[in-house]
Amino acid sequence: DIVMTQSPATLSVTPGDRVSLSCRASQSISDYLHWYQQKSHESPRLLIKYASQSISGIPSRFSGSGSGSDFTLSINSVEPEDVGVYYCQNGHSFPRTFGGGTKLEIK
Amino acid sequence: EVQLQQSGPELVKPGASMKISCKASGYSFTGYTMNWVKQSHGKNLEWIGLINPYNGGTSYNQKFKGKATLTVDKSSSTAYMELLSLTSEDSAVYYCARCSYGTYYFDYWGQGTTLTVSS
Repeated sequence: DIVMTQSPATLSVTPGDRVSLSCRASQSISDYLHWYQQKSHESPRLLIKYASQSISGIPSRFSGSGSGSDFTLSINSVEPEDVGVYYCQNGHSFPRTFGGGTKLEIK
Repeated sequence: EVQLQQSGPELVKPGASMKISCKASGYSFTGYTMNWVKQSHGKNLEWIGLINPYNGGTSYNQKFKGKATLTVDKSSSTAYMELLSLTSEDSAVYYCARCSYGTYYFDYWGQGTTLTVSS
């Protein structure tokens, strides 16, 4: 199985900061990497597909980059509503696997 | 509007089996696979498997073979996941999530069903 490793585990930021969340795959997955946001007591929500493609209805401050085995989710100018846990997902092969998540906190 | 409406929370005894439902609306049920995801301890996400509602074909995570059985009822646009021989390790929130054929991401998720296994 492809192991997805996210870092850091927790990120504490100030509103207005630009932040970068990292996701690394145990082998190359091309651009078959998807990002989700999960707010407290809610279901995950798709943020970015295929590493860098935007999703309708998602604020433009969210962007993704990377290919192969190293990926980054960037949030340009964090807002208080961005608090939650962010997960990356391997869409390259079965079984689909998720990273352990990065928890975003607001100072 | 696409909606995936899951059945309510369950409390079941060890050794029992139970079935979770996921009723789809707002799209063509047979046009997308239905996936199931387990979330334990409020954080770890694990893909259980998928079912193709068009032909009933399934694909399971090896870890969940023998634990989960996926089925659908096309007449009611409802997907089901049966969990067998439950233990405390099965206590978790379970989600259904839609995926387009030929794509590899989950664009809509159900609200989740909380399963507690306890005597």
